[in-house]
Amino acid sequence: GAVVSQHPSWVICKSGTSVKIECRSLDFQATTMFWYRQFPKQSLMLMATSNEGSKATYEQGVEKDKFLINHASLTLSTLTVTSAHPEDSSFYICSASPGTGAFAGIAKNIQYFGAGTRLSVL
Amino acid sequence: GDSVTQMEGPVTLSEEAFLTINCTYTATGYPSLFWYVQYPGEGLQLLLKATKADDKGSNKGFEATYRKETTSFHLEKGSVQVSDSAVYFCALSAPNTGGFKTIFGAGTRLFVKA
Repeated sequence: GAVVSQHPSWVICKSGTSVKIECRSLDFQATTMFWYRQFPKQSLMLMATSNEGSKATYEQGVEKDKFLINHASLTLSTLTVTSAHPEDSSFYICSASPGTGAFAGIAKNIQYFGAGTRLSVL
Repeated sequence: GDSVTQMEGPVTLSEEAFLTINCTYTATGYPSLFWYVQYPGEGLQLLLKATKADDKGSNKGFEATYRKETTSFHLEKGSVQVSDSAVYFCALSAPNTGGFKTIFGAGTRLFVKA
């Protein structure tokens, strides 16, 4: 249980195009979803926290106009990298935290991670 | 601010060797502590957790004890296998405005040789 699906797993795009990454919680409602960026052999860098139905909270230094986050439902959050450039190439990982339901009783601050999306901008 | 420090890797061990990956933290209040594991090309998976002092988290032969007096949460396994080769992240979770925030350590890469 507590599965988070992230799609696509790998995307290659041309410089200047926009790319959308989806993050879905398959068997629980996620009141909070997180988006991370991971550079090779480094730790996860939190980009933003999104709560369903409200605007995302971005970490310092993350351009909100560049990385658009939408958390339209309790099971879906999307990250759109707008006008992507080669320096945006990275591994993007989402996670979801259950606010209510069966999994929330375990520990509501546990995060369940998607498998990640490798973005390559040419 | 809150932070997590874990030992630098890579750590290279032979199969059946004993594993310790050190992790210390700084935090105000009483955070929850986690170990996550990341296999090549994948996202993170929760390995184990502890929510209060002296709690021991365990899973798949891995253990870690929440030591408040030393602010540590070291990961141990008595006998590693090749399949344990992965990157291990220590993390803490603390209350934040409107919810919580997770701070990850830099990760420790483990290689297990047959």
